[in-house]
Amino acid sequence: DAGVIQSPRHEVTEMGQEVTLRCKPISGHNSLFWYRQTMMRGLELLIYFNNNVPIDDSGMPEDRFSAKMPNASFSTLKIQPSEPRDSAVYFCASTSYGDEAFFGQGTRLTVV
Amino acid sequence: RKEVEQDPGPFNVPEGATVAFNCTYSNSASQSFFWYRQDCRKEPKLLMSVYSSGNEDGRFTAQLNRASQYISLLIRDSKLSDSATYLCVVNIIGNQFYFGTGTSLTVIP
Repeated sequence: DAGVIQSPRHEVTEMGQEVTLRCKPISGHNSLFWYRQTMMRGLELLIYFNNNVPIDDSGMPEDRFSAKMPNASFSTLKIQPSEPRDSAVYFCASTSYGDEAFFGQGTRLTVV
Repeated sequence: RKEVEQDPGPFNVPEGATVAFNCTYSNSASQSFFWYRQDCRKEPKLLMSVYSSGNEDGRFTAQLNRASQYISLLIRDSKLSDSATYLCVVNIIGNQFYFGTGTSLTVIP
C-alpha cells in the first residue's frame, strides 16, 4: 500500500482565496483524521471520521473550515476564505479500529 | 484544559546519556497510549505503543500509570539519530487520537 496520500504537498495562496486539501487514506482503514500543526499550538485534531461519518468536529477553528468524506477512499478539508493565520502544516491520518495511526506527508499551507 | 500535556523541552543531552520524557492526560476514559516520533519537516510516525505493564524496545522503555494518568518514555544510551520531537498520544473512547505538543530532543556529540 502507498500509505496515506495527501495533495498538494505545498500550497501558497492569497488571503481570501478558497483552499482545498485532499487526502486518500490507507485502503481498509475505517477512521480518518485531519490535524493542523503550528509551532505555537503543536498538533491539533481538527475533525475525525469513522466509516465516512464525521464524529467530532469540535476542533475545527471556525465556520471557514469544512471537511467532507464522500467515500472510504477520499476526504477533503476546505478553507474559505483563507486567512494568514491559517498558515500551517495540515496532516491527514488514518487508522483501523484504533490501532496505529498512519500519517500522510502533510500539506504545507502558506496564506499571504 | 488540553487532553494531553507534555514538557516541550528542549532537551539537549550528550551522546550516551539517558533521558526521560513524561506526559499527562486528562481523560480517564483514555484507552490506548502511544509514543510517536517526528523528524523535522516530516510526518509523525509510531515509535511504540504503551502498555499497562510497561514495555521495552531496545533502548526505549515506555510506562503507563493509569492511577496518576501519566505516560513516560525512557531512552538509554542516546544516539545522535535519536534527535527528534517525541509526541505523546492517547486514544480516547470513540477512536479520538489526541497528541501532546511534543518534546524536542537534541543529542549532542
